[in-house]
Amino acid sequence: GAVVSQHPSRVICKSGTSVKIECRSLDFQATTMFWYRQFPKQSLMLMATSNEGSKATYEQGVEKDKFLINHASLTLSTLTVTSAHPEDSSFYICSARRLYNEQFFGPGTRLTVL
Amino acid sequence: AQTVTQSQPEMSVQEAETVTLSCTYDTSESDYYLFWYKQPPSRQMILVIRQEAYKQQNATENRFSVNFQKAAKSFSLKISDSQLGDAAMYFCAYRNSGGSNYKLTFGKGTLLTVNP
Repeated sequence: GAVVSQHPSRVICKSGTSVKIECRSLDFQATTMFWYRQFPKQSLMLMATSNEGSKATYEQGVEKDKFLINHASLTLSTLTVTSAHPEDSSFYICSARRLYNEQFFGPGTRLTVL
Repeated sequence: AQTVTQSQPEMSVQEAETVTLSCTYDTSESDYYLFWYKQPPSRQMILVIRQEAYKQQNATENRFSVNFQKAAKSFSLKISDSQLGDAAMYFCAYRNSGGSNYKLTFGKGTLLTVNP
């Protein structure tokens, strides 16, 4: 149990376009979902925390209008990178937790902006 | 704010040998949780082991064990009988016990190489 999926696993887009990444908890209801960004050979950087039906809480320095997070249901959260630029290229990881449990991580999405 | 420090960017070990990865943290809280996560080349984050600060007994999971020194704020991971599949990036992480969101603070990671 406790499987988290992400789609797509890889995406390449042109500069200026928007990209949506989905994060789903497949076999449990997630009270909270998290979005991380990871640069090569670096640690995970928390971008935002989202609770179902509520606005996401963004970490300091993360642009809310650039990285739109929607947590519409207990099993789905989406991250939309708006007007993507090459510097947004990175590995994005989501995680989900159910009540009284730790985070379970998705497999990640590699975004390349040309 | 809590911080997690991993002072070893890279470590290597011979297959079947034992290796210890270091982690120190800083917090003013008395109750919290500590974790070791493994990130293999697939980049899937895998929970290796978890330690509750209020427990004096060190956590163990098969070949993985920790040395938790609360006063020293140290939390090292020992991998016994190392296997090729243990090669990965290892992250130490901290979480407060309070709060509703279970946010994790990660260290910078240690890249472990296992030599055959």
